[in-house]
Amino acid sequence: SQELEQSPQSLIVQEGKNLTINCTSSKTLYGLYWYKQKYGEGLIFLMMLQKGGEEKSHEKITAKLDEKKQQSSLHITASQPSHAGIYLCGAAASGGYQKVTFGTGTKLQVIP
Amino acid sequence: NAGVTQTPKFRVLKTGQSMTLLCAQDMNHEYMYWYRQDPGMGLRLIHYSVGEGTTAKGEVPDGYNVSRLKKQNFLLGLESAAPSQTSVYFCASNTGTRQYFGAGTRLSVL
Repeated sequence: SQELEQSPQSLIVQEGKNLTINCTSSKTLYGLYWYKQKYGEGLIFLMMLQKGGEEKSHEKITAKLDEKKQQSSLHITASQPSHAGIYLCGAAASGGYQKVTFGTGTKLQVIP
Repeated sequence: NAGVTQTPKFRVLKTGQSMTLLCAQDMNHEYMYWYRQDPGMGLRLIHYSVGEGTTAKGEVPDGYNVSRLKKQNFLLGLESAAPSQTSVYFCASNTGTRQYFGAGTRLSVL
């Protein structure tokens, strides 16, 4: 079965700093989703990547899917306290969107 | 358009009790999912469905059963609850370009 590993597991950054979260799959990805979750709340959709090399941005958050479609990175520029939360990558394995699994999550704290 | 609605929002069970969590979506999506999220962890797929009348096992299906008798509803059942099933349960439906999530159900099994 497909496994998604996120790194780092947790991150503490000073406000204004840039940061990157990685999501690595054991199999080729059919589609890759990024979500944010505030502590104790539901999931907020950020973006979805499908094509190798694709890059998308949402406000100060940029995500990219590598050419081989086995790794995605999420980059936050000039972090703010509002960026704090858990970031989750989810993916559908090759063949379709039927089975969507998620990574282990990355906890982000932004210190003012 | 309510999206994905989960009921109940909170529940406390005693070990051995049974219960059913209901997920309803009004977007006519074919694919629906049940996940659990344990403290400080990501989402783990319990079961999923690719259409009315179909179900399939995910990563952690043991101790759970599901049914999809109607396209808009996906039910998750716990026949004999165990403390290890204390978790937050999320339901989702999928268009292909996005997973739509419910608000979650907090379940405690004592």
